[in-house]
Amino acid sequence: QQQVKQSPQSLIVQKGGISIINCAYENTAFDYFPWYQQFPGKGPALLIAIRPDVSEKKEGRFTISFNKSAKQFSLHIMDSQPGDSATYFCAASMGYSGAGSYQLTFGKGTKLSVIP
Amino acid sequence: DAMVIQNPRYQVTQFGKPVTLSCSQTLNHNVMYWYQQKSSQAPKLLFHYYDKDFNNEADTPDNFQSRRPNTSFCFLDIRSPGLGDAAMYLCATSPRKYQETQYFGPGTRLLVL
Repeated sequence: QQQVKQSPQSLIVQKGGISIINCAYENTAFDYFPWYQQFPGKGPALLIAIRPDVSEKKEGRFTISFNKSAKQFSLHIMDSQPGDSATYFCAASMGYSGAGSYQLTFGKGTKLSVIP
Repeated sequence: DAMVIQNPRYQVTQFGKPVTLSCSQTLNHNVMYWYQQKSSQAPKLLFHYYDKDFNNEADTPDNFQSRRPNTSFCFLDIRSPGLGDAAMYLCATSPRKYQETQYFGPGTRLLVL
């Protein structure tokens, strides 16, 4: 129930195309869904996040679509660029877990390659 | 620039030889986390500090310990590293209670020979 399942494991997209990464979860107590971007040799960086009370959130070329009934959410990268090539992790949190923290459950990651 | 710094970036140790990884932050954040990330896997939370309060995940092996001598620094001690402990270790911070965003350092890659 704690798992977040992410697909695909790897993705190759041509420059200018749309990259789509999907995540699914089981635990309906999750109420915060961030996406992290990780470049080689760097730590993950927060890209965009959504809560279940909205179905879509857009920031620049990055959009999260959220389907509460299906317990799925996805990241769309419009006009994909070679500089977007990185590993993307979805994650979920079920709110304040006490002791000052929010515990994130991560998906296994998607390695995106955008080819010119 | 305010940031999360991890040293060293690469660490090689021998089987059974204690090793310490360090994390420092200039963000003045109250919460600090340690994650273990194995190749092609998701980061796995080991423990976290809220201020000086230490919180261990239930499945974190006893072989892993942590210290936070002050707000800025946090250490991960692996008392007797095994081959299975080879991984990337990520430190993250969060500003305060009720703040979900976590800011990650670049990680330390540990190799156990």
